Amino acid sequence: DTGVSQNPRHKITKRGQNVTFRCDPISEHNRLYWYRQTLGQGPEFLTYFQNEAQLEKSRLLSDRFSAERPKGSFSTLEIQRTEQGDSAMYLCASSPGVAGELFFGEGSRLTVL
Amino acid sequence: AQSVTQLDSQVPVFEEAPVELRCNYSSSVSVYLFWYVQYPNQGLQLLLKYLSGSTLVKGINGFEAEFNKSQTSFHLRKPSVHISDTAEYFCAVSGSAGAQKLVFGQGTRLTINP
Repeated sequence: DTGVSQNPRHKITKRGQNVTFRCDPISEHNRLYWYRQTLGQGPEFLTYFQNEAQLEKSRLLSDRFSAERPKGSFSTLEIQRTEQGDSAMYLCASSPGVAGELFFGEGSRLTVL
Repeated sequence: AQSVTQLDSQVPVFEEAPVELRCNYSSSVSVYLFWYVQYPNQGLQLLLKYLSGSTLVKGINGFEAEFNKSQTSFHLRKPSVHISDTAEYFCAVSGSAGAQKLVFGQGTRLTINP
């Protein structure tokens, strides 16, 4: 069990560029979540996958955001036409689906200039 | 829908003193309750969880929490804190069915002074 891995750990981009983050969950976990955390706040839910199916999306997830989990293993979160308000830590978590416990990665920090 | 309120954004305490971090939640359905800790430059780690049964739950690093259904609270306590407990603490709630996504409070920064 190597834990949840996220890449890249840090990304600095200019406004208007596209960015993609990758999450590799714990291998036997069928549930995968994306959260966003800004300074001084708790994580906010973005979206949830069970295997390859995206079952829930937050209203926070505008049409510039898209997430995939093509084979029910790793997941990607893409942000198109980034805005300064997108600057945040993007957290990925996975779960075996038992008793709601989530295992978090260390996050991918996005800075939009 | 669920929501969580952490009543204190910052809590300073002296080393070896007791501490209580307060958490209240709101939900129309049965819930699971969690406390997570985030050390500087690290990911969120689970401290403890309440699913059912005994209302007093014990977690790692000497922390415990008590579920109080009538007061919709899940306060975190430790009888004697150490410098290493300096971190951000998040209370979270999830439904007991469906997506079981966590809804977090805004966090409490615990600072331990020598």
